[in-house]
Amino acid sequence: EDQVTQSPEALRLQEGESSSLNCSYTVSGLRGLFWYRQDPGKGPEFLFTLYSAGEEKEKERLKATLTKKESFLHITAPKPEDSATYLCAVRTFGNEKLTFGTGTRLTIIP
Amino acid sequence: GAGVSQSPSNKVTEKGKDVELRCDPISGHTALYWYRQSLGQGLEFLIYFQGNSAPDKSGLPSDRFSAERTGGSVSTLTIQRTQQEDSAVYLCASSSGGAGSDEQYFGPGTRLTVT
Repeated sequence: EDQVTQSPEALRLQEGESSSLNCSYTVSGLRGLFWYRQDPGKGPEFLFTLYSAGEEKEKERLKATLTKKESFLHITAPKPEDSATYLCAVRTFGNEKLTFGTGTRLTIIP
Repeated sequence: GAGVSQSPSNKVTEKGKDVELRCDPISGHTALYWYRQSLGQGLEFLIYFQGNSAPDKSGLPSDRFSAERTGGSVSTLTIQRTQQEDSAVYLCASSSGGAGSDEQYFGPGTRLTVT
């Protein structure tokens, strides 16, 4: 069974304090790994798709990386508006659904 | 352009009643998904539609849950004889369904409360 584990569950950072969120996965044939951002009371907002180990993608203060066992979401010099829950999900070959982790709740303190 | 829309945004119902939740996907998207998000748990896949193909119902938790998609666009998720454990946020997502188009775009969700 596909499994996705995110850590930490919650993270509080000072504004400007860089850090990383972790997503570990155990799947049979990774087709893609996805990062989403979810604000309270809203649906997940797509951020990145990663397909192969060594791949990296960047968007503003966020950079996502992928290895054969895990993905990291690096946040550089975060701002209060980066506060949200960040969700990781995987899709495997022959499967259309996404399997999600339980997320990391990120709080950036001004 | 317009994103995925869902209605109602909130629904409170009594245990044992039936409810219908609606999803309007992004125009032109052929793939449509339903997920459920319970407090403290990750999003849980329910059902997937792709064009005119038979839906993948493997995630539906019981036979009280059903969904249909009319005309390849709007979808309705129906929960019969609701139970308190059905309380959750129900999220709909759509995808263009083409090659290299893995991203799923989510709607705002319907928060269902069963009293």
